[in-house]
Amino acid sequence: ETGVTQTPRHLVMGMTNKKSLKCEQHLGHNAMYWYKQSAKKPLELMFVYNFKEQTENNSVPSRFSPECPNSSHLFLHLHTLQPEDSALYLCASSQVAGGNSPLHFGNGTRLTVT
Amino acid sequence: KQEVTQIPAALSVPEGENLVLNCSFTDSAIYNLQWFRQDPGKGLTSLLLIQSSQREQTSGRLNASLDKSSGRSTLYIAASQPGDSATYLCAVSRLSNTDKLIFGTGTRLQVFP
Repeated sequence: ETGVTQTPRHLVMGMTNKKSLKCEQHLGHNAMYWYKQSAKKPLELMFVYNFKEQTENNSVPSRFSPECPNSSHLFLHLHTLQPEDSALYLCASSQVAGGNSPLHFGNGTRLTVT
Repeated sequence: KQEVTQIPAALSVPEGENLVLNCSFTDSAIYNLQWFRQDPGKGLTSLLLIQSSQREQTSGRLNASLDKSSGRSTLYIAASQPGDSATYLCAVSRLSNTDKLIFGTGTRLQVFP
């Protein structure tokens, strides 16, 4: 059982919808991440939060809006998405940001934009 | 710009074989390198993390080596089992931005009985 839980597991949304992805970690970590995994492409880092502060925004379009209310929870708010945004969205956590502690991933949310 | 390449893209072997997965990266200025495993429809599981100052790490039947100067890492799996079937990903953390992992596209491994 993973210490990082993502909901929902699957999401289908129209281009005009607004939805949110949720991530929760029970590992006592201080850093949380959103990654995007598209077919036949490497995982792409989207956002990094360290102690609730955003430390990385990898040139992500504004239709993706992250929120980190505390070190255990991370949200990704979605609005007016495009079909090319369909992908597996993975949340991860680590003890601290900075690349020297292993990442723990959730099982992802499979997003389909119609 | 750092690029990470994994060869082969897919590999199918009989149970019991020892095998090697390859990872190469274009910029040797890395902070560390990690190997992950991803099962279908699941997230990633961290297998091994090698610091830039280290040459190898071992965990059970897995051994990962790092040659930073040549931009290469290998993941050695001894006595492969059907349960090892998964996609294996390597990722490097850059010196200039250790928050950001750069991933390869992975090697999809199938071990058949």
